[in-house]
Amino acid sequence: GEDVEQSLFLSVREGDSSVINCTYTDSSSTYLYWYKQEPGAGLQLLTYIFSNMDMKQDQRLTVLLNKKDKHLSLRIADTQTGDSAIYFCAESIASGYSTLTFGKGTMLLVSP
Amino acid sequence: DAGVIQSPRHEVTEMGQEVTLRCKPISGHDYLFWYRQTMMRGLELLIYFNNNVPIDDSGMPEDRFSAKMPNASFSTLKIQPSEPRDSAVYFCASSLARNEQFFGPGTRLTVL
Repeated sequence: GEDVEQSLFLSVREGDSSVINCTYTDSSSTYLYWYKQEPGAGLQLLTYIFSNMDMKQDQRLTVLLNKKDKHLSLRIADTQTGDSAIYFCAESIASGYSTLTFGKGTMLLVSP
Repeated sequence: DAGVIQSPRHEVTEMGQEVTLRCKPISGHDYLFWYRQTMMRGLELLIYFNNNVPIDDSGMPEDRFSAKMPNASFSTLKIQPSEPRDSAVYFCASSLARNEQFFGPGTRLTVL
């Protein structure tokens, strides 16, 4: 079955790097996603990685995928107070149309 | 495009009342999803439609919940009768084929 686990909370200081971790159980996952939810808003796609990749970088965001350990991480460089939000990891399988399975989210709090 | 539009943004009702949540997907998108978010259970997929046809409603918690999509630009999620445990934030999302899901701002439902 599908299950996505995340730590619930992370606190960092402005300017530091943040690393949010996620583990998933379905080895047939093909796409893995990071979504961001700001207070009172819906989820917004930040980035995604295809399962045949190990790493993807997009400006301040770096996604690392360890497929052997089924571990996904999101690194935010030079974290800003505006990065404070809940970050969701999600997985999908490419056969047919697959729905997304979300983790419960990691709340990132960035202090000045 | 205005993005996914949901109404109302907030709904407070009493136990036993009927509640109708509304969603307008992004024009041209062929998939529509209804999610429920709670602290305890995280983000759960309730039902999704493809080209206005319900594809998978296995996430709908009980017969009290029903969803319709009469046309490509409108969907409703109805709860009748509502119960306090239905209190949650309900999100609608839409996508074009298997691409990124765009989320609406959500409806915060409180059942007293």
